Amino acid sequence: DIVMTQSPDSLAVSLGERATINCKSSQNILYSSNNKNSLAWFQQKPGQPPKLLIYWTSTRVPGVPDRFSGSGSGTDFTLTISSLQAEDVAVYYCQQYYSRPFTFGQGTKLEIK
Amino acid sequence: EVQLVESGGDLVQPGGSLRLSCAASGFTFSTYWMTWVRQAPGKGLEWVANINPDGSEKYYVDSVKGRFSISRDNAKNSLYLQMDSLKAEDTAVYYCARAQLTLDYWGQGILVTVSS
Repeated sequence: DIVMTQSPDSLAVSLGERATINCKSSQNILYSSNNKNSLAWFQQKPGQPPKLLIYWTSTRVPGVPDRFSGSGSGTDFTLTISSLQAEDVAVYYCQQYYSRPFTFGQGTKLEIK
Repeated sequence: EVQLVESGGDLVQPGGSLRLSCAASGFTFSTYWMTWVRQAPGKGLEWVANINPDGSEKYYVDSVKGRFSISRDNAKNSLYLQMDSLKAEDTAVYYCARAQLTLDYWGQGILVTVSS
């Protein structure tokens, strides 16, 4: 199975500042048909189901604010929130959908400093 | 509007069985892969199983192989998860999710508690 490892486990950032969450896959997750990495990011707020933010590493879901961006290549990926807002407090998960089981990272809890 | 509504969660004793259902609406159910994901209390997300549009392909995480069975009824727009030989470590909120590349719509989840 592909292991997804996120860092840090928790993060406190001031409002308006940048938040960066990292995700590392134990294997290549490059989908050869489109040369894109099969990596998604989810946001989960307390008491709610996860919400898809980004797929194919950097493609934002329509309606997701453009302060959220994804990047990365090889086995290293990043979710960046350019200017943290109060409503961004949540747990964030990366997930690979290259090889079953489609494993998730352990999650990163993002809080306001 | 896409809606996924899980049902069937309960308190069950170790070794028992339970069948979860997920009622789908707002999209053409029969054309999408569907997935079950679970989340133990206070823990992260675990992909459990998925099934292709016509039900002919099914995949499971190792920890549930031989105990859980995913199925669907496209005529009823419904997804199921039959859970047998339940263990304490199966205690979790179970989500059904639509799989368009990855999991683009999720239900609200249903709690399964395995305890004596």
